[in-house]
Amino acid sequence: DAGVTQSPTHLIKTRGQHVTLRCSPISGHKSVSWYQQVLGQGPQFIFQYYEKEERGRGNFPDRFSARQFPNYSSELNVNALLLGDSALYLCASSLVIGTYGYTFGSGTRLTVV
Amino acid sequence: DAKTTQPPSMDCAEGRAANLPCNHSTISGNEYVYWYRQIHSQGPQYIIHGLKNNETNEMASLIITEDRKSSTLILPHATLRDTAVYYCIVPMDSNYQLIWGAGTKLIIKP
Repeated sequence: DAGVTQSPTHLIKTRGQHVTLRCSPISGHKSVSWYQQVLGQGPQFIFQYYEKEERGRGNFPDRFSARQFPNYSSELNVNALLLGDSALYLCASSLVIGTYGYTFGSGTRLTVV
Repeated sequence: DAKTTQPPSMDCAEGRAANLPCNHSTISGNEYVYWYRQIHSQGPQYIIHGLKNNETNEMASLIITEDRKSSTLILPHATLRDTAVYYCIVPMDSNYQLIWGAGTKLIIKP
């Protein structure tokens, strides 16, 4: 079975641009979470979606948004990119909400220049 | 803030048991302890979780003290591939998020 897949694996954007990151959860998993990991730090929670509804939001500005599609895949959108948005963006999936044995993808490395 | 504290780094000889401690003195009665690890440049990997009984799976064992204020993750026969940052986490159900501390950087030495 395929694990959690994220695309793209790497990308470089310019300040002020917009970016869309994509995540496909493990087949049958209905919950998707997004985390940001800045170099040298632990991941920080951005969003959780379950059954296409937002169930949790971390302390990130409104420039960050996400959605989950009927097939349970998800997109993370970041507008008006700042240099500080440079990070590894991780997607995690789980079968249901409220359990925390997540399967993480390998992440998307975003560099803002 | 994370509800757990861990030593920043530890060394272990290859083939020996690696014992990683974690303090979670404010844990509530129904909160679980989860362990993840992150090998350099990869996504985190779930290892094990427990409530109050000791747990074992193919990767590791988890020993939780009777008062549940601390726990120890045991990798029974560490290999070089176990070199990683290990995170001990007590999830917050109020927002369904994992709050990650700095973790313990475990280095397995030949």
